[in-house]
Amino acid sequence: EAGVVQSPRYKIIEKKQPVAFWCNPISGHNTLYWYLQNLGQGPELLIRYENEEAVDDSQLPKDRFSAERLKGVDSTLKIQPAELGDSAVYLCASSLSTTETQYFGPGTRLLVL
Amino acid sequence: AQSVTQLDSQVPVFEEAPVELRCNYSSSVSVYLFWYVQYPNQGLQLLLKYLSGSTLVKGINGFEAEFNKSQTSFHLRKPSVHISDTAEYFCVMTGNQFYFGTGTSLTVIP
Repeated sequence: EAGVVQSPRYKIIEKKQPVAFWCNPISGHNTLYWYLQNLGQGPELLIRYENEEAVDDSQLPKDRFSAERLKGVDSTLKIQPAELGDSAVYLCASSLSTTETQYFGPGTRLLVL
Repeated sequence: AQSVTQLDSQVPVFEEAPVELRCNYSSSVSVYLFWYVQYPNQGLQLLLKYLSGSTLVKGINGFEAEFNKSQTSFHLRKPSVHISDTAEYFCVMTGNQFYFGTGTSLTVIP
């Protein structure tokens, strides 16, 4: 069974540029999560989807971050414009439901110069 | 307020020695608790989870954890560690929201 796929794995951009990350969850997983992980810290939830509905986006900085999950499958996370402080690893995870095990992708490592 | 606290940021231990990684939680609602491991340059993977039932749960690679409601703890233990257990360990709580602990870096010394 294929795991959670994320792309790109690495991204280097200059500040004020836009950037987008893509996530393909495990087939059949209704719940999808985007996390931000800074070096030496635990992941912080940015947004959680139940199918195509964003049910928890309270931690998403909506002035520059946006996300979508069309058709309740793949998801994209966008930052526009990027700031230096956005440098981090962006993790995508999926699960059958909220109480089930979350399976994590390898993450996208973003460096903003 | 809901929170997860991992009491030790770094735990060095000699190979074949036992280890305990501590996790305390705070919540006014019922919770589910997980331990995840992140090996160097790899993604997060589940070690074990507690949803209900027996308070002692066993996971992969010889790890186990005990849910203690009265002490609001979910400590992770292994009786004999290996070099390959060197990794970052995260305690996770789900209640109304999702909470990751700040992580414990386990270093196994040969």
